[in-house]
Amino acid sequence: DVKVTQSSRYLVKRTGEKVFLECVQDMDHENMFWYRQDPGLGLRLIYFSYDVKMKEKGDIPEGYSVSREKKERFSLILESASTNQTSMYLCASSAPHRDEQFFGPGTRLTVL
Amino acid sequence: AQKITQTQPGMFVQEKEAVTLDCTYDTSDQSYGLFWYKQPSSGEMIFLIYQGSYDEQNATEGRYSLNFQKARKSANLVISASQLGDSAMYFCAGSFSGGYNKLIFGAGTRLAVHP
Repeated sequence: DVKVTQSSRYLVKRTGEKVFLECVQDMDHENMFWYRQDPGLGLRLIYFSYDVKMKEKGDIPEGYSVSREKKERFSLILESASTNQTSMYLCASSAPHRDEQFFGPGTRLTVL
Repeated sequence: AQKITQTQPGMFVQEKEAVTLDCTYDTSDQSYGLFWYKQPSSGEMIFLIYQGSYDEQNATEGRYSLNFQKARKSANLVISASQLGDSAMYFCAGSFSGGYNKLIFGAGTRLAVHP
């Protein structure tokens, strides 16, 4: 079974803090994705990566950065957290030439 | 620009009845894929069903079927014989020509199954 894990289910941070969200997949997938989910807006793509050290902006990259030093790990970084980044963050991975994405359990981030 | 639209914020259905969740899409691509995911209250996204734009038959997976009407650009999910465990958020998503298997999601429909 494909397994995508995220470092925390719930996280509470203060405005201005640097926040790291970690995602690990165990199926040797090339593609990895970070989404945020907000009520009424569905899932919106923040960043994705198609290979180690490669990254591409999604639809809402502002205020975020990413890191992919190893194939199995994709990190989302909030350089200076703000209250409008309070959201559910979902990581996903997929194999090349396969559209189906496999999701982690999500991290619910609250920025106070 | 590609877009996925789900116009039903919430739906309810009686247990054992069938329910249809609507999804329309907007694209000028000839080759694309359409997905449905289920998100229970626990938060994980569960893949349900996939339809390719060139697939001639409607996709089916157990109690799930996808009513694909290409000319109308709709990809409705039909759940037959609803169960209490089907209560969840349902998201329609599309994979279009952007590459890298990126998905565009709709806003979701919350389904409540009543006993």
